Amino acid sequence: QSALTQPASVSGSPGQSITISCTGTSSDVGGYDSVSWYQQVPGEAPKVIIFDVDTRPSGVSNRFSASKSGNTASLTISGLQSEDEADYYCSSYRTGAAYVFGTGTQVIVL
Amino acid sequence: QVQLVQSGAEVKKPGASVKISCKASGYTFIFSAIHWVRQAPGQRLEWMGWINAGNGITKHSQIFQGRVTITRDTSANTVYMDLSSLRSDDTAVYYCARGMSGASKAFDYWGQGTLVTVSS
Repeated sequence: QSALTQPASVSGSPGQSITISCTGTSSDVGGYDSVSWYQQVPGEAPKVIIFDVDTRPSGVSNRFSASKSGNTASLTISGLQSEDEADYYCSSYRTGAAYVFGTGTQVIVL
Repeated sequence: QVQLVQSGAEVKKPGASVKISCKASGYTFIFSAIHWVRQAPGQRLEWMGWINAGNGITKHSQIFQGRVTITRDTSANTVYMDLSSLRSDDTAVYYCARGMSGASKAFDYWGQGTLVTVSS
């Protein structure tokens, strides 16, 4: 079972916007509005920052936004801050009551 | 507040089994699912499987080819994940995570993680 494809790393300067892509198939990303995104600081458990493609949980900064088109989902971080430096993972429901994570993206704040 | 508290670190030999617990509190246990996710050192998150805490129905990733067993004890608000025939590449941090309620298919609360080291 293959993972969703994400870029290994994305970098940007403070204040800039960056976008992380997450590419799957019609059996996962493209077939369901069930993409979620997680932020993981090394040594800690992941934290959900987006669910149901584009919904932010209470308490998550509105600098995080997301969307989906076809088999590719995207996470955008606006007004990049040093505290955003972390690993980011997408996840999707997959046909057959299964789930799949992305390959992960390291965000580097220059 | 919702909490998932996992059992402590384990060291196992190849071929052995490990059983990790995840005790839930702060919500109605049987109304949610619990998922298991693992992360090998420096690697990505990997979904392993889930259990409907209400009816006990489970689903596992095909990657584990029957090596994973997920059970729950509703009297103890605890979910267990048993991984058998351990190999060195099973060395990882294992997380339990709660499935969001309703139609959302995301994981809203996570345990602190349990490090399992497989070494001869």
